Amino acid sequence: AQKVTQAQTEISVVEKEDVTLDCVYETRDTTYYLFWYKQPPSGELVFLIRRNSFDEQNEISGRYSWNFQKSTSSFNFTITASQVVDSAVYFCALIPRGGADGLTFGKGTHLIIQP
Amino acid sequence: NAGVTQTPKFRILKIGQSMTLQCTQDMNHNYMYWYRQDPGMGLKLIYYSVGAGITDKGEVPNGYNVSRSTTEDFPLRLELAAPSQTSVYFCASSFTTVTNTEAFFGQGTRLTVV
Repeated sequence: AQKVTQAQTEISVVEKEDVTLDCVYETRDTTYYLFWYKQPPSGELVFLIRRNSFDEQNEISGRYSWNFQKSTSSFNFTITASQVVDSAVYFCALIPRGGADGLTFGKGTHLIIQP
Repeated sequence: NAGVTQTPKFRILKIGQSMTLQCTQDMNHNYMYWYRQDPGMGLKLIYYSVGAGITDKGEVPNGYNVSRSTTEDFPLRLELAAPSQTSVYFCASSFTTVTNTEAFFGQGTRLTVV
């Protein structure tokens, strides 16, 4: 069975600060996939990124970046120069290769960006 | 593009009542999922389907039933509503397993059982 831990329940920062959301996972599978989803106050889930376990390159997309470290089983998400619109709950999730039964989600981190 | 559509968006049920949460997708996706999200928690898988006529239990299936008679539709049935089923329910779909592709989520159904 898989497990995803997001230890930070809530983070509050002032606009323009950088912020990192932590994600630690557990799985026995050697091939697996990691995801980040954003859930804004409106409630829908927005896909941000999918990363497979063989690709440890960091990824950057605009103000967003992801740091995948297999050695520490972590897949952290950093928002640079945060904006109020980044306020949301962010979920990290995992699925093993061949897993048909959907994603295993962490409990989420509620990010509050104060103006 | 409609994507994944869930109805209703909100519903209040009395204990013991039954209802069906509707989910339909227009992307010709094979895989469909039902999750529930309790306050302060991540999403937990209730049921999933890898194609029409095929369904399987997820992590928290008790108290629910599903069917998949068509590719497009994946309704979730609550037979005897209980307060523990108060939650936000999300339907999702993907073309194949999400190891290969993105899963698209509906807007959610907020259900309260009183």
